[in-house]
Amino acid sequence: GDSVTQMEGPVTLSEEAFLTINCTYTATGYPSLFWYVQYPGEGLQLLLKATKADDKGSNKGFEATYRKETTSFHLEKGSVQVSDSAVYFCALSEGYAGGTSYGKLTFGQGTILTVHP
Amino acid sequence: DTGVSQNPRHKITKRGQNVTFRCDPISEHNRLYWYRQTLGQGPEFLTYFQNEAQLEKSRLLSDRFSAERPKGSFSTLEIQRTEQGDSAMYLCASSWDKDTQYFGPGTRLTVL
Repeated sequence: GDSVTQMEGPVTLSEEAFLTINCTYTATGYPSLFWYVQYPGEGLQLLLKATKADDKGSNKGFEATYRKETTSFHLEKGSVQVSDSAVYFCALSEGYAGGTSYGKLTFGQGTILTVHP
Repeated sequence: DTGVSQNPRHKITKRGQNVTFRCDPISEHNRLYWYRQTLGQGPEFLTYFQNEAQLEKSRLLSDRFSAERPKGSFSTLEIQRTEQGDSAMYLCASSWDKDTQYFGPGTRLTVL
């Protein structure tokens, strides 16, 4: 079945450092890929998405590119802030050419990011 | 648009009791999903509704679990004869299309 693997955390960075959180996936068909973020005490929020190969999702300074050849969707940010401290989840939803996709999400285990001033 | 709401936010129950959670999706979202999240893990899919029809159920959803969405609006998730292993955060999400799900704050269940 479909699966998502994220780099293990936690990740601790200083403010303004460069961030990469690795994500690789296994899926049949043509999945859509997502990064969700969970800030302390809050619910899951969609951060960015990419629905086909070579698409780049971006939001709030974060970027991720859908790489079909390496089955990856790594999250990057050039300069992190203290307010980026959160748990980040990579996820995919199944996609079948010519078939029915209900959009259920398969998540990675999450990566805790802590940014210090 | 007030977002997805879930009630209660917390539920503590004794093993063997039945519990029911409610999810109110964003109005006019025809898709509704339930997920379960345990500590340190990502959410796991439980079930999916399109309008009032339950179209997909995970193998995680044992026969003690039942979900309904009677009028295609709010949904309920019931767990019968709760077990300690049912302790988790239960998340609801709604969407208009398959690629943008909006999550509620979740219901945290503790089974003693």
